[in-house]
Amino acid sequence: GQNIDQPTEMTATEGAIVQINCTYQTSGFNGLFWYQQHAGEAPTFLSYNVLDGLEEKGRFSSFLSRSKGYSYLLLKELQMKDSASYLCAVREDSNYQLIWGAGTKLIIKP
Amino acid sequence: SAVISQKPSRDICQRGTSLTIQCQVDSQVTMMFWYRQQPGQSLTLIATANQGSEATYESGFVIDKFPISRPNLTFSTLTVSNMSPEDSSIYLCSVEVGESLAQYFGPGTRLTVL
Repeated sequence: GQNIDQPTEMTATEGAIVQINCTYQTSGFNGLFWYQQHAGEAPTFLSYNVLDGLEEKGRFSSFLSRSKGYSYLLLKELQMKDSASYLCAVREDSNYQLIWGAGTKLIIKP
Repeated sequence: SAVISQKPSRDICQRGTSLTIQCQVDSQVTMMFWYRQQPGQSLTLIATANQGSEATYESGFVIDKFPISRPNLTFSTLTVSNMSPEDSSIYLCSVEVGESLAQYFGPGTRLTVL
C-alpha cells in the first residue's frame, strides 16, 4: 500500500534549526517533493529530490535516502514567517500522481 | 513556475445548487489537477484533467458530482453539483511545471455550503 508519515506538529525557536522528517512506503518512486502552506493559502513548492543526498536552497535543505524510504526538510535560521504547514509528497512512477502526507504544522516561538 | 488564477476566490452557496470554479494558467500545460482540502487536512486529489480527453477521477469522486471541462491547454473548470454542507472545502487546481514536474497551485476557492 501507499503511506507517507510526518509528525503532526513541531515547535521551534526563532533563529534555531528544525528538521522535519518524512518516511514513505510506495510501490514505486519517481521523486519526493516538499511544499510549504501558510494558513489560508495554497501550497507552494519548496524542493525536489529524486537522487539520494542533500539539496540546498538558501535556508532550506532537503535530504533523501531512497533505500530507507526517508526524507527530511531542514530549516535554518528560523524566522517567524516560517510558521506554516510543511507537506511531503511522493510521486510513484506508475501514474505520476502525487501521494501526499498529512503535513507537519511548524510553530515558531520568539 | 507558472501563474495560475482561480475564480471565484470564495463563495457561499445554498444546498442543492451548483458552482463552477475556473482555473486559468499563463502557459500551455498538459495535465491539470483538481484537489479538495478540508480545514486542517492534507490535499485530496479529485481528478486529473487532460486536454482532449475525459478527466480521470479518483476513488470516491464521480463525474456526475464533479464534472470537469478542459477545452484547451490553459484552462479548466470544475463544477460542484447539487451541493451539500459536506462539500464545504477549499478547492485547488494545480499544474505540473519544469523538469521535476513539480505541481504549482492556484490560490484556491473557498466554498461554504449552507
